[in-house]
Amino acid sequence: DAGVIQSPRHEVTEMGQEVTLRCKLISGHNSLFWYRQTMMRGLELLIYFNNNVPIDDSGMPEDRFSAKMPNASFSTLKIQPSEPRDSAVYFCASSLGRVRTEAFFGQGTRLTVV
Amino acid sequence: EDKVVQSPLSLVVHEGDTVTLNCSYEVTNFRSLLWYKQEKKAPTFLFMLTSSGIEKKSGRLSSILDKKELFSILNITATQTGDSAVYLCAPNTGNQFYFGTGTSLTVIP
Repeated sequence: DAGVIQSPRHEVTEMGQEVTLRCKLISGHNSLFWYRQTMMRGLELLIYFNNNVPIDDSGMPEDRFSAKMPNASFSTLKIQPSEPRDSAVYFCASSLGRVRTEAFFGQGTRLTVV
Repeated sequence: EDKVVQSPLSLVVHEGDTVTLNCSYEVTNFRSLLWYKQEKKAPTFLFMLTSSGIEKKSGRLSSILDKKELFSILNITATQTGDSAVYLCAPNTGNQFYFGTGTSLTVIP
């Protein structure tokens, strides 16, 4: 298995533009997590899906952020409009189940909003 | 409020030294605790601990959990430069993996 696949790996965009980050889960996994990592705040959970259903989106910072899981293997995180403070590395991770299991991370998308 | 505290924040040692990294946590619905290693890219899984007192080992790395005192330690013996990374602990509450800010380890040749 290729693991969790994220695209793009790097994204530079201007303030106000829409940004879409993509994630392909490991085949057979049913839980999907979007994290944001910054030096100041570390790894923060943005949203968590289980069986394609959003379970906890309390970490989504604002209405500018939205996430979807249109099928069992794919998810998108959209920021519209983007702001410079959104600059961070965005990771998605998938796991099989929710309890006695580990999360496998994608390589991340480094987003820079100028 | 759920809380995960790792210490020390950073550590610089020489090759061959032994290090102990600490993770204390206060989370609701604790299910397990995971350790990850993060170099310049994605965190990679090291250990999952579910029971107190049972040491997990993988080569020079070992980890143990104390569910009564709510902490875990990660030991690395005979450190090598390739051990340089940020080490993250993450209690699993069944709804999320709640990550600490990590310990940055630098191993000097």
